[in-house]
Amino acid sequence: KAGVTQTPRYLIKTRGQQVTLSCSPISGHRSVSWYQQTPGQGLQFLFEYFSETQRNKGNFPGRFSGRQFSNSRSEMNVSTLELGDSALYLCASSPQGQGENSPLHFGNGTRLTVT
Amino acid sequence: TQLLEQSPQFLSIQEGENLTVYCNSSSVFSSLQWYRQEPGEGPVLLVTVVTGGEVKKLKRLTFQFGDARKDSSLHITAAQPGDTGLYLCAGGLGDSWGKLQFGAGTQVVVTP
Repeated sequence: KAGVTQTPRYLIKTRGQQVTLSCSPISGHRSVSWYQQTPGQGLQFLFEYFSETQRNKGNFPGRFSGRQFSNSRSEMNVSTLELGDSALYLCASSPQGQGENSPLHFGNGTRLTVT
Repeated sequence: TQLLEQSPQFLSIQEGENLTVYCNSSSVFSSLQWYRQEPGEGPVLLVTVVTGGEVKKLKRLTFQFGDARKDSSLHITAAQPGDTGLYLCAGGLGDSWGKLQFGAGTQVVVTP
């Protein structure tokens, strides 16, 4: 069974630009979550999607947005990039997103560098 | 502000030694998970604990959830170089596990 796939693996952007990251969950998983990982803040929750609806949202500004498609694939978008947005962005999928038998499976992340 | 405090931040030990990593909070969590992350990869789930006082064993790893469901520990017996990695604890903030509160992590290095 293929794992969670994130593309691209690496991305370099300039301040003010926007970026779209993609996540393909494990087949059959309906919940997709996004996290930002930085050395200073660790892993911070961005948002979770379930059946194309945003179910939970973290404390990030509106420049961060996401969506989920009918095949459960998800994208996140960051507009007007700032230097502080440089981070590893991780996507995680699970069958239902809740319950002991529905663990999270993480992808290997997209490393975003903003210059 | 980290709801989950992990200690120590960094641990370097020799192969064969034992180690314990702690995860503490003032909040009560519905569940708590432990992950290990290696460089260039995403976190991999090791265990989930849901009941206060619960103890789970995974080969040489022993996980304990505090009675009040506010803290947890991970004990590794006879550590091996393959145990090297960033150990993260994460607390469930509600019914949805898609939204987890992570600790800052403990970097463990096991040298041969």
